[in-house]
Amino acid sequence: AAGVIQSPRHLIKEKRETATLKCYPIPRHDTVYWYQQGPGQDPQFLISFYEKMQSDKGSIPDRFSAQQFSDYHSELNMSSLELGDSALYFCASSLDPRQGSGGGYTFGSGTRLTVV
Amino acid sequence: GQQLNQSPQSMFIQEGEDVSMNCTSSSIFNTWLWYKQDPGEGPVLLIALYKAGELTSNGRLTAQFGITRKDSFLNISASIPSDVGIYFCAGQLRSSNTGKLIFGQGTTLQVKP
Repeated sequence: AAGVIQSPRHLIKEKRETATLKCYPIPRHDTVYWYQQGPGQDPQFLISFYEKMQSDKGSIPDRFSAQQFSDYHSELNMSSLELGDSALYFCASSLDPRQGSGGGYTFGSGTRLTVV
Repeated sequence: GQQLNQSPQSMFIQEGEDVSMNCTSSSIFNTWLWYKQDPGEGPVLLIALYKAGELTSNGRLTAQFGITRKDSFLNISASIPSDVGIYFCAGQLRSSNTGKLIFGQGTTLQVKP
């Protein structure tokens, strides 16, 4: 079965550079979520989109922005990178969460961002 | 701030033993999910719970949605070496309908053959 696809798997950037992470949800899933997981930490919610509109926002820095496109894929743009941005970034997708029953909430394999 | 308390933080057990971990909160949840995460990989869903009191099994795994909607536990029976990993509980608050998950701190499980 198709899963959530994230690219790239690994990314190394220098401080103050910009990074773009991509997420391709499971077909027919209309909701995308982004999470950040620091070393030894649990995943922290950043932002979510439903039907191409932002649906919720967590502790996402102002330097980060994201959007969901017409084909439902999403991109997380990170500017003025700092050393503390080094983390695993996960994307997850589901069906409309308002319908209940979890909607097949599935995570991708993540992008490991290293800022040097 | 952290709204889910997961315990224990780590466990080191002998192969064949049973394992139990739990998550508690002062908030009410609509959904409880249990995930396993291997190093450098994304969380993989083990069990999903949608109703208070619900008890669900998946092979050697059993999880329950607490009747108060504020807690959940996961049991693993007859552990094997491949059970090694980090287990996370995650929940969707009743006050939120956007699907955002709040995670527990994780339980690191090590199994000695």
